Amino acid sequence: EADIYQTPRYLVIGTGKKITLECSQTMGHDKMYWYQQDPGMELHLIHYSYGVNSTEKGDLSSESTVSRIRTEHFPLTLESARPSHTSQYLCASSTKMNTEAFFGQGTRLTVV
Amino acid sequence: AQSVSQHNHHVILSEAASLELGCNYSYGGTVNLFWYVQYPGQHLQLLLKYFSGDPLVKGIKGFEAEFIKSKFSFNLRKPSVQWSDTAEYFCAVNGFNAGNMLTFGGGTRLMVKP
Repeated sequence: EADIYQTPRYLVIGTGKKITLECSQTMGHDKMYWYQQDPGMELHLIHYSYGVNSTEKGDLSSESTVSRIRTEHFPLTLESARPSHTSQYLCASSTKMNTEAFFGQGTRLTVV
Repeated sequence: AQSVSQHNHHVILSEAASLELGCNYSYGGTVNLFWYVQYPGQHLQLLLKYFSGDPLVKGIKGFEAEFIKSKFSFNLRKPSVQWSDTAEYFCAVNGFNAGNMLTFGGGTRLMVKP
């Protein structure tokens, strides 16, 4: 079944640690996105990709980085986690022609 | 640049009341418009979408939205809400140009009292 997967669902990590949030989609979508969402707040686009080897920064400044080596995979990395990174991170994908975006379940990150 | 504005941050209704959530966008070109819903503890799901054609679009669970181009609006409506409609609702816009990315409004938190 075509879907979009994020792991882990929940993560509690200490300050200064390096973490990678995984996102994979099986729909063959060209575009992929990372959004940051604090509880009850709006979604902020932090990274996006048009396709393989394409990565762009979004509207919200983020200390994270992304890579897109394969179409289906769009991991997000924080080199040194800080408490200010505590948030929910949502991954999404869509076709090249901007049809609807499909969202993963999200990763709720807490940095202590 | 494109932006989306949702006017109501919190809405509280009783069951069977009618619902209308406002959404305005700014973008000079052709747009694709969406309403997403996020139920408590769940991921974002598509409620409905408008690409072209009839400006009144119907989505799942009895929701509908009307695209009014002259007002740059895409308001969400439901004639009679249920307790299970309690959720957060996000309006989103995507410029037709393939270079555009999906931009979300700030969201409206709807609480329906039984």
